[in-house]
Parts: sequence; structure tokens; C-alpha cells
Amino acid sequence: EAGVAQSPRYKIIEKRQSVAFWCNPISGHATLYWYQQILGQGPKLLIQFQNNGVVDDSQLPKDRFSAERLKGVDSTLKIQPAKLEDSAVYLCASSLDNSLNEQFFGPGTRLTVL
Amino acid sequence: GQQLNQSPQSMFIQEGEDVSMNCTSSSIFNTWLWYKQDPGEGPVLLIALYKAGELTSNGRLTAQFGITRKDSFLNISASIPSDVGIYFCAGHDNYGQNFVFGPGTRLSVLP
Repeated sequence: EAGVAQSPRYKIIEKRQSVAFWCNPISGHATLYWYQQILGQGPKLLIQFQNNGVVDDSQLPKDRFSAERLKGVDSTLKIQPAKLEDSAVYLCASSLDNSLNEQFFGPGTRLTVL
Repeated sequence: GQQLNQSPQSMFIQEGEDVSMNCTSSSIFNTWLWYKQDPGEGPVLLIALYKAGELTSNGRLTAQFGITRKDSFLNISASIPSDVGIYFCAGHDNYGQNFVFGPGTRLSVLP
């Protein structure tokens, strides 16, 4: 069974530029999550989708971050414009149902903002 | 928001030694999860705990859900080089509203 796929694996941009990350969850997984993991910290949940609807986006900085999962499968996370403090690994995870306890993580995208 | 503390922050042990690490919260948690993260990878779930006092094993790993519901422990017996990595606790608070990760314990195993 293929795992959660993410691309790109690495991205370097300058502050005020825009960037987008892509995630393809495990086939059949209804729930998709985006996390931000700053160096030396644990992952922080940004947004949770159930199919194509948002379940929880309380920790998403909505002034600059946006995410969508239009067809209930793939998802994109966008940052516009990026700030230096956005440098982090962005992890995508998926689960069969709405169970945070059974989620599988992708390898992440490492973003560096200069 | 909810915060979890993990100790120790990092540890160096000799191969073959047993390891113990813990995770604490200032509030009650309903679920405790333990993950391991290797460099360049996402976290992988090791053990999930759902009841106060629960003791669960997964091979050489054993984890316990504290009776107070404010802490959890992870033990690794007879450590091997591939145990190297960062171990995170995570959990749901009592209302199931917040899902948070701890800051991690970095484990190094010396041959």
C-alpha cells in the first residue's frame, strides 16, 4: 500500500514570496491533516479535512495560509506571502476516518524562507 | 492552548541499555499516543493508550497511561542502534477538542 505522498520535498524562497505544497493521501482515507513542525518542536496541527470539508482550522493563520481539498482526495497548502518564521517542515497526514489516533504521516516538505 | 512537556529533552545511552522517558500535561488527557520520528521522515505511531492505568507493549516498547490522566511513560528495553530518533508524545485533551504533540525526546544510542 502506498503511503502519503508530498511534494516538493524541499523548497527555498525569499520572504514575501508565495509557495504551495501538495499532498496525496493514502487511497480511501477520508481525513487529511496538515501540520507545521518548526525545528526542535513537535508538529502543530494547522487544518483537518473530512473529505472536502474543513473540520478544524482553528490554528491556521488565515491571513497568509490557505488550504483546499476540492475533490476530497489531494490537498494543497499555500502560504502567501511567506515570512521568515514560516520556515519549518510541513507534514501531511491521512486517516481512514475522523480519528487522529490512526493517522499516517507523509515525509514532509522542508520550507526555508530567506 | 494545551501544552505537553517531555523529559528528558535528549539522552545518550549505550546499546543494550533500557530507556525511560515521560510526558506530562497540566490538564487531563483522554488519549495518549507515542510516535517516533526519523530524520527526513514523518512521525510513525508506536503505541496508543486510551484508558487511565492502561499498560501496552509493542515489542521492546512499553507505554503506560498515568492514573492521574496527566502523564504517560514510554520504556524501551535492550536498546539497539535503530532506536535512534525523536520520540513524541501526543494526545487529546479531556474535551477532545485539542490534539497536541509534545516537544520530543531525542534518543542517541552509542555502540
